[in-house]
Amino acid sequence: EVQLLESGGGLVQPGGSLRLSCAGSGFTFRTHAMSWVRQAPGKGLEWVSAIGGSGESTYYADSVKARYTISRDNSKNTLYLQINSLRVDDTAVYYCARLPSNVVVPAALLLNDAFDMWGQGTMVTVSS
Amino acid sequence: HSALTQPPSASGTPGQRVTISCSGGRSNIGNHYVYWYQQVPGSAPKLLIYRNYQRPSGVPARFSGSKSGTSASLAISGLRSDDEADFYCAAWDDTLSAWVFGGGTKLTVL
Repeated sequence: EVQLLESGGGLVQPGGSLRLSCAGSGFTFRTHAMSWVRQAPGKGLEWVSAIGGSGESTYYADSVKARYTISRDNSKNTLYLQINSLRVDDTAVYYCARLPSNVVVPAALLLNDAFDMWGQGTMVTVSS
Repeated sequence: HSALTQPPSASGTPGQRVTISCSGGRSNIGNHYVYWYQQVPGSAPKLLIYRNYQRPSGVPARFSGSKSGTSASLAISGLRSDDEADFYCAAWDDTLSAWVFGGGTKLTVL
């Protein structure tokens, strides 16, 4: 069965750090770019970060740049998101999502895809 | 303020056809594929339509997608009570170098 399983969420104080993990199974993990998408309570979906299949390229939303670091270990079929200097407005369910291609952004003039598979999410709550 | 604009709500009675719109610009919908997701409250998003109009295996033919210029639409025919969910459109945006989502449309089956 093709699956993404997130872990690592929890309750953290403002200013703290957290590392989220996402384990992929049932597909060839290294051939897919991967991403994190979050959803604050009662709000819509917000893209956070993405990484190419070999980990060579990374992208971040402006709202999280400098505090978030995405990485992957293809030997463990696992995607990570390191979140530092946590703020109350980081409170959200964090989903990992798979992209159909190995690259985050295709060559010029080619149409880009979005996410073809999602994990069940892990909740991050930032509160004192 | 979302880069893609969706109506906040839609409704219909069982058996009816409803359409949800998604409006963007040349830098996103105009240049890239549109994806649609269905999210039942408390659950993860589920892929409904990919590459503007393609349906993944397991998604009923009652769900269809289309795209024209800088807008896209999701149509649901033969509405059922278990179609009640939030629906989101998404596309890559060249200007932002980011994926953008619509604000979501809450579908109610009356």
